[in-house]
Amino acid sequence: KAGVTQTPRYLIKTRGQQVTLSCSPISGHRSVSWYQQTPGQGLQFLFEYFSETQRNKGNFPGRFSGRQFSNSRSEMNVSTLELGDSALYLCASSQLGQGDTEAFFGQGTRLTVV
Amino acid sequence: TQLLKQSPQFLSIQEGENLTVYCNSSSVFSSLQWYRQEPGEGPVLLVTVVTGGEVKKLKRLTFQFGDARKDSSLHITAAQTGDTGLYLCAGPPNSGYALNFGKGTSLLVTP
Repeated sequence: KAGVTQTPRYLIKTRGQQVTLSCSPISGHRSVSWYQQTPGQGLQFLFEYFSETQRNKGNFPGRFSGRQFSNSRSEMNVSTLELGDSALYLCASSQLGQGDTEAFFGQGTRLTVV
Repeated sequence: TQLLKQSPQFLSIQEGENLTVYCNSSSVFSSLQWYRQEPGEGPVLLVTVVTGGEVKKLKRLTFQFGDARKDSSLHITAAQTGDTGLYLCAGPPNSGYALNFGKGTSLLVTP
């Protein structure tokens, strides 16, 4: 079965712009989590959605937002981009989103803010 | 606060050598997962350890979960260049639904 698909793979944006990233989970998976990965901080949790509801949110400013659609696809949005937002954004899907269930990651979207 | 601390941060070895990387915490985890991430890709789950003292083998990789369920190790025997990557450990949260990740061990295996 198809894996987790993230689009686009690469993005270059200018400071102050906004960006929307997309994630299509594995069929049947209802939980989608988003992570930001940087060399200095590692993988940091952004938010998790289950059946269109945000169940958990990490410690990121309000410029970072997300949503999940009825087909479990998810989008995250970053407004007023800053240079420090440059990172690899990863999406992971799982069946229930419980911490001890297997999470499947997409290839990520590499965002560069200039 | 990084609940899971991984060491070493970087490791460069030659093909054929053995190595061990560690994942430590002051907190008890009900389970721990190990992922490998190759450059430009997302992490891929290698194994989940659940029982204290558990040892799991995946070909040349041996994973161990500490008796107190606060630490884990990954041992690679006769490393190959294909083992190069970032090794991440992760554990379930005390509350909520987000996995806690360590910062990872970056492994480079040279011919």
